[in-house]
Amino acid sequence: GAVVSQHPSWVICKSGTSVKIECRSLDFQATTMFWYRQFPKQSLMLMATSNEGSKATYEQGVEKDKFLINHASLTLSTLTVTSAHPEDSSFYICSARDTSGRGSAGNTIYFGEGSWLTVV
Amino acid sequence: GENVEQHPSTLSVQEGDSAVIKCTYSDSASNYFPWYKQELGKRPQLIIDIRSNVGEKKDQRIAVTLNKTAKHFSLHITETQPEDSAVYFCAASWDSSYKLIFGSGTRLLVRP
Repeated sequence: GAVVSQHPSWVICKSGTSVKIECRSLDFQATTMFWYRQFPKQSLMLMATSNEGSKATYEQGVEKDKFLINHASLTLSTLTVTSAHPEDSSFYICSARDTSGRGSAGNTIYFGEGSWLTVV
Repeated sequence: GENVEQHPSTLSVQEGDSAVIKCTYSDSASNYFPWYKQELGKRPQLIIDIRSNVGEKKDQRIAVTLNKTAKHFSLHITETQPEDSAVYFCAASWDSSYKLIFGSGTRLLVRP
């Protein structure tokens, strides 16, 4: 099946620094990718929709200047957590939409493995 | 925007019994309803999905029902096994966006 790869799997950074997380669709082109955040024992909360070649669309309450999203190619979206603080520590996970028609539903969403961010 | 509520938050069943998890959604425009199973620290895995033009869908021990009028959809797992123990999330989406709005999750424990 289609694969979405996320890197790094886990990262520890110092408070005040920035961290970049990559999301790649390995065998399909994704004009749209999604970024979610999941705190321990909680649900996946949609942060933003990443659109290839245009600005990301952020959900209400998500600071676009803090969570920078770049979708410069059809296979790569990046999320940069700027000036990270301990409260940003979370599991960040991306998903990509395969519109090729191969999936059972025609339009199928695939998740990356997720990235654990710990800010110390 | 869309809001998805999920119940119960925890569910403990005896192996072999059935488990039912229920979700409600708020936006009548939603037309795609997937269910995911997530193990700790891993990506969600799609286990079954249903579109709004179908009332029920079954895949072996797993079934999903949808009531569009009431904006309810439910996951049914029969003959539960210990390996079914995980967190289950429902979600809702609509074709024009395909962004998933998740329910709060249900922690299912199947006791041997």
